[in-house]
Amino acid sequence: AQSVTQLDSQVPVFEEAPVELRCNYSSSVSVYLFWYVQYPNQGLQLLLKYLSGSTLVKGINGFEAEFNKSQTSFHLRKPSVHISDTAEYFCAATLSGGGNKLTFGTGTQLKVEL
Amino acid sequence: EAQVTQNPRYLITVTGKKLTVTCSQNMNHEYMSWYRQDPGLGLRQIYYSMNVEVTDKGDVPEGYKVSRKEKRNFPLILESPSPNQTSLYFCASSLGGALGQPQHFGDGTRLSIL
Repeated sequence: AQSVTQLDSQVPVFEEAPVELRCNYSSSVSVYLFWYVQYPNQGLQLLLKYLSGSTLVKGINGFEAEFNKSQTSFHLRKPSVHISDTAEYFCAATLSGGGNKLTFGTGTQLKVEL
Repeated sequence: EAQVTQNPRYLITVTGKKLTVTCSQNMNHEYMSWYRQDPGLGLRQIYYSMNVEVTDKGDVPEGYKVSRKEKRNFPLILESPSPNQTSLYFCASSLGGALGQPQHFGDGTRLSIL
């Protein structure tokens, strides 16, 4: 069965520092991978997605992620965070040919401090 | 503006009193889905619908019902709510197909069952 693991439940970081949020997936077939962001009292917004092609994917708000098939990872990175990046981040996956079913990780709370 | 609209946003009710959470999307999407979000568990799929009159169980369907009589609407029904259904609920929609379509989320409905 497909699963998505986010090992870090909370990541504190100072403003303007770089950050990496980790995501690993387990699947025996090809997957599509997504990162979503959830700001307080809001729904989820798509940050970026990987379907195929280049393994480095750029998203909104300066975020990027790298698909690594050998390590089954899809870590999210930002070179310099801002206070406004404080939010919860979810990694999700769907199987190629499996339609639209999304499997989510448990989320990582990013807290940016001054 | 493209959006997924959920109502109500907040609801406090008592055990056993039937309730319905409405979800409507204006993007002509075929696929719609309901999730519940609980601390430490991420988002888990309750039910989904591939198109009108086509619905199926997700990972945690017990205690819930759905219907899809029109393409734009996908209500979630709790016929006899219990305290363990206290949660944050999200409706989402996307285009159909198997191309890893990203899902668009509503702003959430926070249910408290006393």
